Amino acid sequence: GAVVSQHPSRVICKSGTSVKIECRSLDFQATTMFWYRQFPKQSLMLMATSNEGSKATYEQGVEKDKFLINHASLTLSTLTVTSAHPEDSSFYICSAGGASVTEAFFGQGTRLTVV
Amino acid sequence: GQNIDQPTEMTATEGAIVQINCTYQTSGFNGLFWYQQHAGEAPTFLSYNVLDGLEEKGRFSSFLSRSKGYSYLLLKELQMKDSASYLCAVRDGDYKLSFGAGTTVTVRA
Repeated sequence: GAVVSQHPSRVICKSGTSVKIECRSLDFQATTMFWYRQFPKQSLMLMATSNEGSKATYEQGVEKDKFLINHASLTLSTLTVTSAHPEDSSFYICSAGGASVTEAFFGQGTRLTVV
Repeated sequence: GQNIDQPTEMTATEGAIVQINCTYQTSGFNGLFWYQQHAGEAPTFLSYNVLDGLEEKGRFSSFLSRSKGYSYLLLKELQMKDSASYLCAVRDGDYKLSFGAGTTVTVRA
């Protein structure tokens, strides 16, 4: 099946700094990618939909100036957590897939810890 | 938004069968997915239903009734490694995937 690669898998950063997470579709072109956040023992919550060549669509309650999404090519989307705070510590997961595929493919996830 | 309900926890014995139910209400429907997730890992795909009926894949089967907004995941011949969280997810008319809270299945020897 299709592969989505997410990097880094773990990152620890200081409060106030920014962190960039990459999501790549390795063997297919993804016009749309999705970014999720998962807190411990909770389900995945959709943060935003990343569209190639256009602005991302954010879910209600997600700050677009804090979580910057760039989808400059059909194989790469990035999520930048700006001015990170301890409450941003979470598991961030990207996925790709759309109408032409029967499953959504997930990256490996990124464990972000802000200290 | 979407409303997806599934039980929080289930416990079963090794070798037994467990059925995880999922009910949903969505604006538009483009498929229902089941994922398995072990702690600290990304979800892994188990099954996909877009038409009514039963899809069987080895020890795992998934059923869908669109008119009832209902699905279940059936796990047969349970093994210890099946202890995990099982997520029901629905793809809506905009092809966004929304997840239920997950059902934690514990398999006991």
